[in-house]
Amino acid sequence: QSALTQPASVSGSPGQSITISCTGTSSDVGGFNYVSWFQQHPGKAPKLIISDVSNRPSGVSNRFSGSKSGNTASLTISGLQAEDEAHYYCNSYTSTSTLEVFGGGTKLTVL
Amino acid sequence: QVQLQESGPGLVKPSETLSLTCTVSGGSVSSGNYFWSWIRQPPGKGLEWIAFIYYSGSTNYNPSLESRVALSLDTSKNQFSLRLSSVTAADTAVYYCARLSVGCSSTTCYRKFDYWGQGTLVTVSS
Repeated sequence: QSALTQPASVSGSPGQSITISCTGTSSDVGGFNYVSWFQQHPGKAPKLIISDVSNRPSGVSNRFSGSKSGNTASLTISGLQAEDEAHYYCNSYTSTSTLEVFGGGTKLTVL
Repeated sequence: QVQLQESGPGLVKPSETLSLTCTVSGGSVSSGNYFWSWIRQPPGKGLEWIAFIYYSGSTNYNPSLESRVALSLDTSKNQFSLRLSSVTAADTAVYYCARLSVGCSSTTCYRKFDYWGQGTLVTVSS
């Protein structure tokens, strides 16, 4: 069981927007602004798309955005494209001895 | 451009020790503000942080694996390595090395796994 809770799957049609949630506790998501999001295509390494809750690395599409409210972080993808179909993982620093925790991942299907 | 590349055996027998090395190019493992990390992903499952090592040689381990894990740094080869002892089938996974960047500017602080290796599948089987 992963430390951070994500929905197993979400779906949307091209052009639509979707949001993926990532729920933790006050020891991780709620307590620090160190939430990252990764995109992973099959057989590939995870790619950083959002860091520190809402920062987008250079080269990442502005269709990806991040936010946080309380113990829940969210990733929003607007203007869905077929290439967005992938698994998405959230990650947070934690003040517990584990230090870094991940969500279980969300499979995004573009219909 | 920073690049990381994992190397090591793809098959390990149960009860033996898994050993992997990550070679870093385009950057130095001796630089501050970076923690050199190992993360794994069992087939079809999610990501699990294993451990990281700082340029000074100090380490942090996931408590769930701490009794079996050891990291080391070779600054002359710009590499860092993972050893996981007493492996079982549950340790079968794709193992990634990654760079954790940590620091603060004048206005904000950051912490992110910004560069990853391509990953290497390690199967534990007799």
